[in-house]
Amino acid sequence: AQSVSQHNHHVILSEAASLELGCNYSYGGTVNLFWYVQYPGQHLQLLLKYFSGDPLVKGIKGFEAEFIKSKFSFNLRKPSVQWSDTAEYFCAVTLTDSWGKLQFGAGTQVVVTP
Amino acid sequence: NAGVTQTPKFRVLKTGQSMTLLCAQDMNHEYMYWYRQDPGMGLRLIHYSVGEGTTAKGEVPDGYNVSRLKKQNFLLGLESAAPSQTSVYFCASRRGTADTQYFGPGTRLTVL
Repeated sequence: AQSVSQHNHHVILSEAASLELGCNYSYGGTVNLFWYVQYPGQHLQLLLKYFSGDPLVKGIKGFEAEFIKSKFSFNLRKPSVQWSDTAEYFCAVTLTDSWGKLQFGAGTQVVVTP
Repeated sequence: NAGVTQTPKFRVLKTGQSMTLLCAQDMNHEYMYWYRQDPGMGLRLIHYSVGEGTTAKGEVPDGYNVSRLKKQNFLLGLESAAPSQTSVYFCASRRGTADTQYFGPGTRLTVL
């Protein structure tokens, strides 16, 4: 079955620490890849997306992600987190012929302590 | 430009009651989607629409119906609510399949 897996459900780290969130998918065809963020009490916002081209994608708020096709992975990174990065992070995938339907991972709750 | 809006923001229903959630977008987007968000499960697609007058089933369509009579509106209906439908419901829209999907603020529904 097609699926999106996020490696960690909960991550706790201190300000200025580096963050890496894993995401793997199990689709065999051409995919579009996304990371969304949901701050407490808010709706989902797009952090970054990959459609084609350079596999290292830079997004908003200092986040970046790397698409590694051979590993079916799209990991999210940030070199130095801030308290304001406390949020839930979702990896999502669409197949290019799927009418844009998003398949989400279960999410990773990230808590950044001062 | 309000983006994607959802009505209502909160609702409590008793088992067996019906209700309709309204999603509206003012971006002239063709594609609209309804998702539900449950703890530890991410967002799951309920129904979607690829244009006015068209709808299709997503991953978890049972117990829900939808309509897209106007391009800007996408309605999600629960005919007979069940406690398993307690969730946060998000609507989303996008212009084309290669474009960013924009989400509404969500509706928190509790079924007692």
